Order: sequence, then structure tokens, then C-alpha cells
Amino acid sequence: DAKTTQPPSMDCAEGRAANLPCNHSTISGNEYVYWYRQIHSQGPQYIIHGLKNNETNEMASLIITEDRKSSTLILPHATLRDTAVYYCIVRPRGNTGNQFYFGTGTSLTVIP
Amino acid sequence: DGGITQSPKYLFRKEGQNVTLSCEQNLNHDAMYWYRQDPGQGLRLIYYSQIVNDFQKGDIAEGYSVSREKKESFPLTVTSAQKNPTAFYLCASSIADSGETQYFGPGTRLLVL
Repeated sequence: DAKTTQPPSMDCAEGRAANLPCNHSTISGNEYVYWYRQIHSQGPQYIIHGLKNNETNEMASLIITEDRKSSTLILPHATLRDTAVYYCIVRPRGNTGNQFYFGTGTSLTVIP
Repeated sequence: DGGITQSPKYLFRKEGQNVTLSCEQNLNHDAMYWYRQDPGQGLRLIYYSQIVNDFQKGDIAEGYSVSREKKESFPLTVTSAQKNPTAFYLCASSIADSGETQYFGPGTRLLVL
């Protein structure tokens, strides 16, 4: 069951920051927010995850609101290779689950 | 180079035929998973395995079978009982089945002749 809501599509100019929103208003205290992306006809690629603090790695930044009901994935300088479907997933840690529920995600198109 | 490999990239199945999709990982992960993805859809879990010689059904296991004889290998057989097998099949693994990050292979696209 998808517990997240994402816009179906977004455009972003090359070189600009891409900000992808995700609503997860029913998130539980032990659930993490994960982001993956899938380039056409490839396997999903892990991007980042977080619990309540903002996170940053070499690919992106994750900003989680204080009430944890929404988050934003930020690609600081989008390139054409960032064109993909981006999935926001909430999932508990600990031995309570076994799969990632991928919804339909946001199709990001980076425009030259 | 550590990672997950799936083969073949494309596979064709004839009516009434069983076919086996390969998934190998050299990440030393205990848990492995098989997902199915249909066009424009999210992923659905077929089977998963938390440890060698053990596996559990996911949401759509009917018409599929798996084995886990080795830690690094988790092959999926699409049997003739699966009436709509055309899809993109994805294998994933994680350190353990405890909410850890799952890492995915490149996928196998299965087509029915």
C-alpha cells in the first residue's frame, strides 16, 4: 500500500535545482523516508533516506518537515542524466517488513 | 566490482514453457527479493528470501517459484501457470531483511511469443 503522494510529473531546467515533493501524512514514528529513482528500462537506484533530520549525500539532499508529514528531495544541479522516475517510499526499520512499496512516482524531465 | 547481476536482459517464453531468470549478488547480502513491474506501474513483490534455504511468498507469488541454495544466488522460475508473464522483472538484495536499504539489479524483460 502506497503511503505517499507525489506529483505525476515535473520539468526542470538543466543546471537548476530540482525539488521533488512528497506527502506522507500518515507516517509512523519508526518509518523512514526513502528515495529511489528509475531510469527507463533500468533497475531502481537508491538515492537517500532519512528519519527526521535533513540528510545530504553526493547525489542529493533530503529535507523532512518538522512534523514529518512531507519531504522534499533536492537535486542541486540537475543534468540531463537525472531524467527519471523518482519514487518516495516510507518504510519501517527493524524486522517488521520485507518490501519497498513503489507507487507510480514523479517523472522528472530535465530540459536542456 | 560489487553489485547485482541479472541475466538475460531479454527473455522470450513460448506458451506452456517454464523459464528461469538468474539473479546473482556479490555484496554478501543475506536477503534477496524478486519484484515484477508492469508498464507505468510500481513494483510488486513476488518472493523474498531472508536466508539461504528459506523463502516466503510476496503479494503475487502464484505462477512463480524460487530457490535459495546459495547466499549469492536467487533464481526465479516463471512457470506455465503464470498466464500473464510479460513484464520487467527486478531482483534486489539487502544486508538483512530488517528494513535495510535494498539495492536493485538491472532487470530482465520477459516477453511471450
